[in-house]
Amino acid sequence: TQLLEQSPQFLSIQEGENLTVYCNSSSVFSSLQWYRQEPGEGPVLLVTVVTGGEVKKLKRLTFQFGDARKDSSLHITAAQPGDTGLYLCAGAGDNNNDMRFGAGTRLTVKP
Amino acid sequence: DADVTQTPRNRITKTGKRIMLECSQTKGHDRMYWYRQDPGLGLQLIYYSFDVKDINKGEISDGYSVSRQAQAKFSLSLESAIPNQTALYFCATSDAGTARAEQFFGPGTRLTVL
Repeated sequence: TQLLEQSPQFLSIQEGENLTVYCNSSSVFSSLQWYRQEPGEGPVLLVTVVTGGEVKKLKRLTFQFGDARKDSSLHITAAQPGDTGLYLCAGAGDNNNDMRFGAGTRLTVKP
Repeated sequence: DADVTQTPRNRITKTGKRIMLECSQTKGHDRMYWYRQDPGLGLQLIYYSFDVKDINKGEISDGYSVSRQAQAKFSLSLESAIPNQTALYFCATSDAGTARAEQFFGPGTRLTVL
């Protein structure tokens, strides 16, 4: 059983569409990160959220941390083919000794 | 040059062989990690080290061992490889000075055990 559940597992959309992917857990995290991974490469950090209810924007990407710090969402506006990749969320406990990753959402944006 | 490098990038080996995967970093971070990635399972932590004298087991350490030779180097060994250790392996680093545990990953090693 994954500590962090990501949904959907796969998502295929057309260029220009909007989308939201989710990261849910029954555990409380001191911080939560979103990473994007492209084929043949390691994950690259997109954002870190630390405060319940926090919203961060990175160009067309909007990240939200749940009020209870158990879940998070990533919304992409007007998706582009360059957004294609595996999106991973990862949560860290209070001592940051043990970061747990979700299985990821594999996004494909078709031209 | 990449901040976190892994060698080899690809390796095919046979059951029972000893394999070592190496990781080097130039970020000056104290913390280093080894993960494996399997389809549908995300990244699972194998071992982590907070400094040269510190080694800790992660979620799935059985069948693996590590060595922290220096602040910049962290190697992962499979003493006797088995087919279900076929996976993508990632090394990562983080800065102990930040409370946010942001991790920086290497490019990965694709290991196939026949």
